[in-house]
Amino acid sequence: GQNIDQPTEMTATEGAIVQINCTYQTSGFNGLFWYQQHAGEAPTFLSYNVLDGLEEKGRFSSFLSRSKGYSYLLLKELQMKDSASYLCASMDSNYQLIWGAGTKLIIKP
Amino acid sequence: GAVVSQHPSRVICKSGTSVKIECRSLDFQATTMFWYRQFPKQSLMLMATSNEGSKATYEQGVEKDKFLINHASLTLSTLTVTSAHPEDSSFYICSGTSGGDYNEQFFGPGTRLTVL
Repeated sequence: GQNIDQPTEMTATEGAIVQINCTYQTSGFNGLFWYQQHAGEAPTFLSYNVLDGLEEKGRFSSFLSRSKGYSYLLLKELQMKDSASYLCASMDSNYQLIWGAGTKLIIKP
Repeated sequence: GAVVSQHPSRVICKSGTSVKIECRSLDFQATTMFWYRQFPKQSLMLMATSNEGSKATYEQGVEKDKFLINHASLTLSTLTVTSAHPEDSSFYICSGTSGGDYNEQFFGPGTRLTVL
C-alpha cells in the first residue's frame, strides 16, 4: 500500500534549527513535496525534490534519499511565524499526491 | 507562484440544503483540478480529480452523487455539496496544476463549511 509517515508534533526554540523527517512508500515516485500549512489556511508550497540530495532555499532546506524512501525538511534560524503544520507528500506514478498527516511544529521563545 | 481563489471562504447552511463552492485559477490555466477535504487536526484527504471538459474521478468512499464536481473551463471548477448534513462540515480546499516541470499543485485558500 501507499504510506507516508512523519512525526505528529515537534517543539523547537526560536532561533534554533529543527529537522522534520518523512518516510514514504508509494506506487512509483515522481517527487517529494513539502508544504507549510498555518491553522485554518490552505497549504503553501515549500519545496520539491526528485533527485537525491539537498536543496537549499533560504532558511529552509529539503533532503531526499530515494533508495531509503526518506526525506527531511530542515528549518534554520527559527522564527515564531514558522509555527505551523508541515506536510510531506509523495507524488506517485499517476502524478497523484499522497499526503502525510502533517507535523505540527511549535516554536517557543 | 500561481494564484487560485475560492469562493465563498466560509459558509453556514441548514441541513438538507446544497452548497456550491467555486475554485478559480487566476493567472494560469489549470488542466487538472483537485478537491480535498480536511477535518480538524487531520491531513488533506483527496476527494476527486477533475480534468477540464471531462468527468471527475472520485476517490474510493466519496459519493459522486453527493459531491458534484464540474470543471467546465481551464480556470473554473465547482464543487456542489448536495443535501448537506452536519457530518459534511469540514474545510474544503481546491488546487490546480498546469502540468509544468513537476506538476506542482497551487492551492486555493479553502472554504470552511458548517452544516447546522
